[in-house]
Amino acid sequence: EVQLVQSGAEVKKPGESLRISCKGSGYRFTNYWISWVRQMPGKGLEWMGKMDPSDSYTNYSPSFQGHVTFSADKSISTAFLQWSSLKASDTAMYYCARLGGNYGSYLDLWGRGTLVTVSS
Amino acid sequence: QSVLTQPPSVSGAPGQRVTISCTGSSSNIGAPYDVYWYQQLPGTAPKLLIYDNSNRPSGVPDRFSGSKSGTSASLAITGLQAEDEADYYCQSYDSSLSGSMVFGGGTKLTVL
Repeated sequence: EVQLVQSGAEVKKPGESLRISCKGSGYRFTNYWISWVRQMPGKGLEWMGKMDPSDSYTNYSPSFQGHVTFSADKSISTAFLQWSSLKASDTAMYYCARLGGNYGSYLDLWGRGTLVTVSS
Repeated sequence: QSVLTQPPSVSGAPGQRVTISCTGSSSNIGAPYDVYWYQQLPGTAPKLLIYDNSNRPSGVPDRFSGSKSGTSASLAITGLQAEDEADYYCQSYDSSLSGSMVFGGGTKLTVL
């Protein structure tokens, strides 16, 4: 089955670091870019950026540049989203999604999401 | 404030037809970048509904259709069913944001 499996929910305190994961299976992981999408409680979708798992080239949305870090380990078909110092405003659901189509223009496969809660 | 503007909510009775608009500008939909649509059922991840303005992925019923004209796009749903109650998002790209992917604010569809 073609799928993206995300790591489980996290509860963290402000200032802590965090890395969440997204493992692809059922397809050649390095053939498709991975995007991350944030959805704050009760709000809409926000594109955070994308990464090429074949060489870890990244492209961040201006809104998220400098606040998060994308990485990947292609040997285990897994992409990561990382924070070095969490804030309460990082509380949200985070989705990874595969960029599909001839030009990698749309998100054709989504993970179920990882809920991150940041609270003191 | 989203780059692409959608109505916050629409509603319709079972069997009716509803449309959801997505209004952009000359730097995104009018650039012209293609438009994509996603359906997010309550408590679940979004799912691709329409790609390249008007194409449906395998498995999406033909009750769903998309169109684009100028700086706007629309999603139409005919023969409305209770299971269509969800949030719908349009997506495109924006040249003024270094070609970043952008989403509409989302539209909540209520089936009366």
